[in-house]
Amino acid sequence: KQEVTQIPAALSVPEGENLVLNCSFTDSAIYNLQWFRQDPGKGLTSLLLIQSSQREQTSGRLNASLDKSSGRSTLYIAASQPGDSATYLCAVDLYNFNKFYFGSGTKLNVKP
Amino acid sequence: DGGITQSPKYLFRKEGQNVTLSCEQNLNHDAMYWYRQDPGQGLRLIYYSQIVNDFQKGDIAEGYSVSREKKESFPLTVTSAQKNPTAFYLCASAGGYNEQFFGPGTRLTVL
Repeated sequence: KQEVTQIPAALSVPEGENLVLNCSFTDSAIYNLQWFRQDPGKGLTSLLLIQSSQREQTSGRLNASLDKSSGRSTLYIAASQPGDSATYLCAVDLYNFNKFYFGSGTKLNVKP
Repeated sequence: DGGITQSPKYLFRKEGQNVTLSCEQNLNHDAMYWYRQDPGQGLRLIYYSQIVNDFQKGDIAEGYSVSREKKESFPLTVTSAQKNPTAFYLCASAGGYNEQFFGPGTRLTVL
């Protein structure tokens, strides 16, 4: 069974800082990996999707990387802003299963 | 304006009562999913459907039931057999490259 771990569970940084969120998974036979943002009491918003053949994806101030061999993905947030405060979750999709396995998330607080 | 809608936003259930959560999508996606989220935990898969008239149990299907009679709709029924149903329920659909899109969620509380 795929296990997905996100470290740290919570992170507090001052505004303007660059930061990295980590996601690790145990089974490297993934089809894709997706990063989401969740605001309190809301649904998940898709941030980036990395296919298994890709090494990274970028959207604005966000950059996600994928290293299947080591079972790791990172989400890099540049020049953080208070509006980035939310919980960030990663999910992996295993080949031929069409099921997704989620980490427990990293709760980010960006202080003004 | 494509997306996923869930209703109601808040739902209260009495002991022994069945309740149904609605999920509708207009993204023309074949695959749809139901997840449960408890405080401080990740999402756990309840049921999923890859095509109309077909669905599979996820990791925590006991006490829940679903139907998939239309491509756009995937309702979830929380039965009285589910002993601890208080949670946040999220519906999702998946399109190209299995990219998932989520609805706004339904918060279910047992009275």
